[in-house]
Amino acid sequence: DAGITQSPRHKVTETGTPVTLRCHQTENHRYMYWYRQDPGHGLRLIHYSYGVKDTDKGEVSDGYSVSRSKTEDFLLTLESATSSQTSVYFCAISNPGLKTDTQYFGPGTRLTVL
Amino acid sequence: QKEVEQNSGPLSVPEGAIASLNCTYSDRVSQSFFWYRQYSGKSPELIMSIYSNGDKEDGRFTAQLNKASQYVSLLIRDSQPSDSATYLCAVNRDNYGQNFVFGPGTRLSVLP
Repeated sequence: DAGITQSPRHKVTETGTPVTLRCHQTENHRYMYWYRQDPGHGLRLIHYSYGVKDTDKGEVSDGYSVSRSKTEDFLLTLESATSSQTSVYFCAISNPGLKTDTQYFGPGTRLTVL
Repeated sequence: QKEVEQNSGPLSVPEGAIASLNCTYSDRVSQSFFWYRQYSGKSPELIMSIYSNGDKEDGRFTAQLNKASQYVSLLIRDSQPSDSATYLCAVNRDNYGQNFVFGPGTRLSVLP
């Protein structure tokens, strides 16, 4: 987890409320990712960013939006949380290039939507 | 067919034995392969990466890659109870992260 922090680490919220999760890195890695992890599904990519203000959708992007205004911060927003978004959310970073595409993960945020 | 498949386990081995974890992938153009370990309630941590056919050893861990068979494995020698965790296989289909695909993970239990 060195160099990657996520906040909050735990959150309980109600259906219909907006939620923002933050990922902060001190590694100056170009790429940042948001995943969710659910039993039976493994890690699934929500959105990723390949630079400041450059983002794209992943496999399960519906209901989520992201923003990256600085290299070190990547925000994930649930505009109107639903119970199906109860999950553990992981941020990851990487500096893709020849044989340096390893992703490193933050500590995770456990989100419960009631 | 799922893109990356692993036996979900649990795989139980006695302490000191060799644990063998397997992973198959469907996309032939995949270029790099990773094994992550995830303890319960924690985030995935990288154990090994492998890019070329053959074996790669790091301490008690050996990753094996066979691109022709679309198969990658992880061997853990002298297994310890502290190796008990879920092991995730990940495949990157190119040099850029958006094509990372994770398997569902294999739960390993090392019995004292």
